[in-house]
Amino acid sequence: DAGVTQSPTHLIKTRGQQVTLRCSPKSGHDTVSWYQQALGQGPQFIFQYYEEEERQRGNFPDRFSGHQFPNYSSELNVNALLLGDSALYLCASSSLGQGRANTEAFFGQGTRLTVV
Amino acid sequence: AQSVTQLDSHVSVSEGTPVLLRCNYSSSYSPSLFWYVQHPNKGLQLLLKYTSAATLVKGINGFEAEFKKSETSFHLTKPSAHMSDAAEYFCVVFMGGSYIPTFGRGTSLIVHP
Repeated sequence: DAGVTQSPTHLIKTRGQQVTLRCSPKSGHDTVSWYQQALGQGPQFIFQYYEEEERQRGNFPDRFSGHQFPNYSSELNVNALLLGDSALYLCASSSLGQGRANTEAFFGQGTRLTVV
Repeated sequence: AQSVTQLDSHVSVSEGTPVLLRCNYSSSYSPSLFWYVQHPNKGLQLLLKYTSAATLVKGINGFEAEFKKSETSFHLTKPSAHMSDAAEYFCVVFMGGSYIPTFGRGTSLIVHP
């Protein structure tokens, strides 16, 4: 079992550009959540996808969008990059289904995004 | 609104001595509480979780935590630190069935030989 895999591991972008990050969940998991972790901070919840729809969203602007595919993999897109978007982006997968809110989430190693 | 406070940004211990990482939360509802560990250049790994069963929760690698509702605390302990325990530790809270977790800012555990 490969666990949660994220790509790329590192990325450098210029202000104003757009970026797409990818996540493959752990086998058997149907739910993917994305987090932003700034240096020296705890992860901040961006949004969660289940059944190809955004189910919950944290306090992030519309520049942050996502998608979940039928195979449960997911993408995080960020438009009009700002310097402040530089962070470690973590993907977590879990098997939530309906009404099982707080089961264990498995995290990937993250994508380090640097905006210059 | 839910919040979680990790009271120490850094904790330094000697190998073989006890570890205490402190976490307090604020909640209007029954919370679910987790501790995660993050080693350098790695993803987060679940240490243990409290979901309204026993108040003393045992986790992996000898860690345990006690849920104290009266003190709104969920402190993480280990009787004897090992060098491999050096990492960043995060306390996480979900409130009353919420799907949105709140992470603490993290506590960096430093273990000296």
